[in-house]
Amino acid sequence: GQQLNQSPQSMFIQEGEDVSMNCTSSSIFNTWLWYKQEPGEGPVLLIALYKAGELTSNGRLTAQFGITRKDSFLNISASIPSDVGIYFCAGQPGNQFYFGTGTSLTVIP
Amino acid sequence: EAEVAQSPRYKITEKSQAVAFWCDPISGHATLYWYRQILGQGPELLVQFQDESVVDDSQLPKDRFSAERLKGVDSTLKIQPAELGDSAMYLCASSLEGADNEQFFGPGTRLTVL
Repeated sequence: GQQLNQSPQSMFIQEGEDVSMNCTSSSIFNTWLWYKQEPGEGPVLLIALYKAGELTSNGRLTAQFGITRKDSFLNISASIPSDVGIYFCAGQPGNQFYFGTGTSLTVIP
Repeated sequence: EAEVAQSPRYKITEKSQAVAFWCDPISGHATLYWYRQILGQGPELLVQFQDESVVDDSQLPKDRFSAERLKGVDSTLKIQPAELGDSAMYLCASSLEGADNEQFFGPGTRLTVL
Protein backbone atom coordinates (compact mmCIF):
# COMPACT_ATOMS: atom_id res chain seq x y z
CA GLY A 1 0.00 0.00 0.00
CA GLN A 2 0.84 3.67 -0.08
CA GLN A 3 3.54 4.85 2.34
CA LEU A 4 3.13 8.13 4.17
CA ASN A 5 6.03 9.06 6.39
CA GLN A 6 5.48 11.56 9.17
CA SER A 7 8.17 13.27 11.15
CA PRO A 8 8.99 13.69 13.85
CA GLN A 9 7.52 10.56 15.38
CA SER A 10 7.11 12.31 18.74
CA MET A 11 7.62 15.76 20.21
CA PHE A 12 7.91 17.04 23.77
CA ILE A 13 7.59 20.82 23.96
CA GLN A 14 7.01 23.57 26.49
CA GLU A 15 3.66 25.34 26.56
CA GLY A 16 3.82 28.43 24.36
CA GLU A 17 6.30 27.00 21.86
CA ASP A 18 5.53 26.61 18.18
CA VAL A 19 5.35 23.13 16.61
CA SER A 20 6.14 21.95 13.11
CA MET A 21 5.56 18.53 11.61
CA ASN A 22 5.52 17.16 8.11
CA CYS A 23 4.35 14.30 5.98
CA THR A 24 5.86 12.92 2.78
CA SER A 25 4.55 10.44 0.25
CA SER A 26 6.10 8.34 -2.47
CA SER A 27 3.56 9.53 -5.04
CA ILE A 28 1.59 12.62 -5.98
CA PHE A 29 -1.50 13.35 -3.91
CA ASN A 30 -4.66 15.23 -4.90
CA THR A 31 -5.74 15.99 -1.36
CA TRP A 32 -3.99 16.33 1.98
CA LEU A 33 -5.76 16.22 5.31
CA TRP A 34 -4.59 16.68 8.88
CA TYR A 35 -6.33 14.94 11.78
CA LYS A 36 -5.87 14.97 15.54
CA GLN A 37 -6.59 11.91 17.65
CA GLU A 38 -6.87 11.89 21.43
CA PRO A 39 -6.58 8.68 23.49
CA GLY A 40 -9.55 6.36 23.09
CA GLU A 41 -11.21 8.55 20.47
CA GLY A 42 -11.48 8.65 16.71
CA PRO A 43 -9.52 11.15 14.60
CA VAL A 44 -10.97 14.64 14.21
CA LEU A 45 -10.42 16.55 10.98
CA LEU A 46 -8.39 19.75 11.49
CA ILE A 47 -7.55 21.04 8.02
CA ALA A 48 -8.17 19.92 4.44
CA LEU A 49 -5.97 21.01 1.51
CA TYR A 50 -6.92 20.64 -2.14
CA LYS A 51 -4.36 22.48 -4.29
CA ALA A 52 -0.58 22.47 -4.54
CA GLY A 53 0.84 25.43 -2.66
CA GLU A 54 -2.38 26.01 -0.72
CA LEU A 55 -1.89 27.45 2.75
CA THR A 56 -4.85 27.10 5.12
CA SER A 57 -5.29 28.12 8.75
CA ASN A 58 -7.64 26.94 11.48
CA GLY A 59 -7.06 29.07 14.57
CA ARG A 60 -3.50 28.45 15.74
CA LEU A 61 -3.04 25.69 13.18
CA THR A 62 -1.66 26.28 9.69
CA ALA A 63 -1.12 23.62 7.05
CA GLN A 64 0.37 23.73 3.58
CA PHE A 65 0.02 21.52 0.53
CA GLY A 66 3.55 21.11 -0.82
CA ILE A 67 4.40 22.37 -4.29
CA THR A 68 5.63 18.94 -5.38
CA ARG A 69 2.27 17.46 -4.22
CA LYS A 70 4.26 14.82 -2.38
CA ASP A 71 4.36 16.52 1.00
CA SER A 72 2.43 18.59 3.48
CA PHE A 73 3.26 20.54 6.62
CA LEU A 74 1.37 21.39 9.80
CA ASN A 75 2.35 24.15 12.18
CA ILE A 76 0.84 24.88 15.58
CA SER A 77 1.62 28.25 17.09
CA ALA A 78 1.75 29.06 20.81
CA SER A 79 1.00 25.51 21.94
CA ILE A 80 -1.30 24.88 24.89
CA PRO A 81 -1.82 21.72 26.99
CA SER A 82 -4.97 20.72 25.12
CA ASP A 83 -2.92 20.38 21.91
CA VAL A 84 -1.72 17.04 23.30
CA GLY A 85 -2.56 14.12 21.03
CA ILE A 86 -1.45 12.29 17.92
CA TYR A 87 -1.53 14.20 14.67
CA PHE A 88 -2.07 12.23 11.49
CA CYS A 89 -1.72 13.32 7.93
CA ALA A 90 -3.88 11.62 5.32
CA GLY A 91 -3.63 11.80 1.59
CA GLN A 92 -5.58 10.80 -1.45
CA PRO A 93 -3.63 9.88 -4.57
CA GLY A 94 -6.73 8.48 -6.22
CA ASN A 95 -9.96 7.30 -4.67
CA GLN A 96 -8.57 5.73 -1.52
CA PHE A 97 -7.25 7.49 1.58
CA TYR A 98 -3.98 6.64 3.24
CA PHE A 99 -2.96 7.72 6.72
CA GLY A 100 0.50 8.53 7.97
CA THR A 101 2.22 6.98 10.94
CA GLY A 102 1.38 9.88 13.25
CA THR A 103 3.25 12.47 15.31
CA SER A 104 2.69 12.26 19.05
CA LEU A 105 2.69 15.68 20.69
CA THR A 106 3.22 16.25 24.40
CA VAL A 107 2.94 19.78 25.78
CA ILE A 108 4.58 20.43 29.11
CA PRO A 109 2.82 23.16 31.15
CA GLU B 1 -24.09 18.09 16.92
CA ALA B 2 -24.38 15.02 14.66
CA GLU B 3 -21.89 12.27 15.41
CA VAL B 4 -20.94 8.82 14.19
CA ALA B 5 -22.02 6.27 16.78
CA GLN B 6 -20.21 3.01 17.41
CA SER B 7 -20.78 0.14 19.79
CA PRO B 8 -19.46 -1.47 21.79
CA ARG B 9 -16.64 0.88 22.81
CA TYR B 10 -14.60 -2.03 24.14
CA LYS B 11 -14.67 -5.74 23.40
CA ILE B 12 -12.57 -8.52 24.87
CA THR B 13 -12.83 -11.92 23.29
CA GLU B 14 -10.93 -15.16 23.05
CA LYS B 15 -9.36 -16.27 19.82
CA SER B 16 -11.59 -18.34 17.54
CA GLN B 17 -14.70 -16.55 18.81
CA ALA B 18 -16.92 -14.38 16.64
CA VAL B 19 -17.22 -10.62 17.24
CA ALA B 20 -19.37 -7.93 15.69
CA PHE B 21 -19.15 -4.16 15.70
CA TRP B 22 -21.92 -1.72 14.88
CA CYS B 23 -21.77 1.74 13.35
CA ASP B 24 -24.45 4.37 12.81
CA PRO B 25 -23.20 7.16 10.52
CA ILE B 26 -24.22 10.79 10.56
CA SER B 27 -27.72 11.14 9.15
CA GLY B 28 -27.62 11.80 5.44
CA HIS B 29 -24.10 10.52 4.90
CA ALA B 30 -24.20 8.08 2.03
CA THR B 31 -20.61 6.90 2.34
CA LEU B 32 -19.46 4.75 5.24
CA TYR B 33 -15.98 3.46 5.96
CA TRP B 34 -14.52 0.87 8.31
CA TYR B 35 -10.88 1.30 9.33
CA ARG B 36 -8.55 -0.76 11.48
CA GLN B 37 -5.97 1.06 13.57
CA ILE B 38 -3.20 -0.97 15.15
CA LEU B 39 -1.62 0.66 18.20
CA GLY B 40 1.02 3.16 17.15
CA GLN B 41 -0.09 3.29 13.52
CA GLY B 42 -2.49 5.27 11.39
CA PRO B 43 -5.92 3.95 10.38
CA GLU B 44 -6.03 1.51 7.48
CA LEU B 45 -9.14 1.28 5.30
CA LEU B 46 -10.89 -2.10 5.41
CA VAL B 47 -14.08 -1.42 3.47
CA GLN B 48 -15.98 1.48 1.96
CA PHE B 49 -19.74 1.57 1.27
CA GLN B 50 -21.71 3.87 -0.97
CA ASP B 51 -25.27 3.48 0.33
CA GLU B 52 -25.70 -0.31 0.60
CA SER B 53 -23.04 -1.20 -1.98
CA VAL B 54 -19.41 -2.04 -1.35
CA VAL B 55 -17.15 0.20 -3.42
CA ASP B 56 -13.80 -0.91 -2.03
CA ASP B 57 -13.01 -3.96 0.08
CA SER B 58 -9.60 -4.69 -1.37
CA GLN B 59 -7.93 -4.58 2.07
CA LEU B 60 -10.58 -6.61 3.88
CA PRO B 61 -9.36 -10.10 4.90
CA LYS B 62 -12.38 -11.83 3.45
CA ASP B 63 -11.59 -15.23 4.88
CA ARG B 64 -12.59 -14.01 8.33
CA PHE B 65 -13.97 -10.47 7.99
CA SER B 66 -17.34 -9.47 6.62
CA ALA B 67 -19.21 -6.19 6.47
CA GLU B 68 -22.72 -5.26 5.55
CA ARG B 69 -24.88 -2.19 5.25
CA LEU B 70 -28.17 -3.76 4.26
CA LYS B 71 -30.39 -0.67 4.24
CA GLY B 72 -27.71 1.82 3.41
CA VAL B 73 -27.75 3.36 6.87
CA ASP B 74 -26.07 1.56 9.76
CA SER B 75 -23.41 -1.07 9.27
CA THR B 76 -21.97 -4.14 10.95
CA LEU B 77 -18.41 -5.44 10.76
CA LYS B 78 -17.89 -9.05 11.79
CA ILE B 79 -14.81 -11.13 12.47
CA GLN B 80 -15.10 -14.91 12.62
CA PRO B 81 -12.98 -16.45 13.94
CA ALA B 82 -11.00 -13.77 15.77
CA GLU B 83 -7.22 -14.12 15.89
CA LEU B 84 -4.68 -12.60 18.26
CA GLY B 85 -3.45 -10.27 15.51
CA ASP B 86 -6.92 -8.74 15.17
CA SER B 87 -6.45 -6.79 18.40
CA ALA B 88 -6.81 -3.16 17.33
CA MET B 89 -9.13 -0.16 17.28
CA TYR B 90 -11.89 -0.48 14.69
CA LEU B 91 -13.02 2.92 13.49
CA CYS B 92 -16.10 3.82 11.51
CA ALA B 93 -16.31 7.03 9.50
CA SER B 94 -18.91 8.61 7.24
CA SER B 95 -19.06 11.36 4.67
CA LEU B 96 -21.49 12.99 2.29
CA GLU B 97 -21.61 11.47 -1.17
CA GLY B 98 -18.74 12.84 -3.22
CA ALA B 99 -17.08 14.35 -0.15
CA ASP B 100 -14.86 11.49 0.92
CA ASN B 101 -12.12 14.00 1.63
CA GLU B 102 -14.09 15.11 4.69
CA GLN B 103 -14.69 12.01 6.73
CA PHE B 104 -16.09 12.17 10.23
CA PHE B 105 -14.95 9.43 12.58
CA GLY B 106 -16.72 7.66 15.41
CA PRO B 107 -15.05 6.95 18.76
CA GLY B 108 -14.06 3.44 17.70
CA THR B 109 -14.30 -0.04 19.19
CA ARG B 110 -11.19 -1.26 20.99
CA LEU B 111 -10.90 -5.02 20.40
CA THR B 112 -8.65 -7.22 22.50
CA VAL B 113 -8.26 -10.86 21.49
CA LEU B 114 -6.88 -13.16 24.19
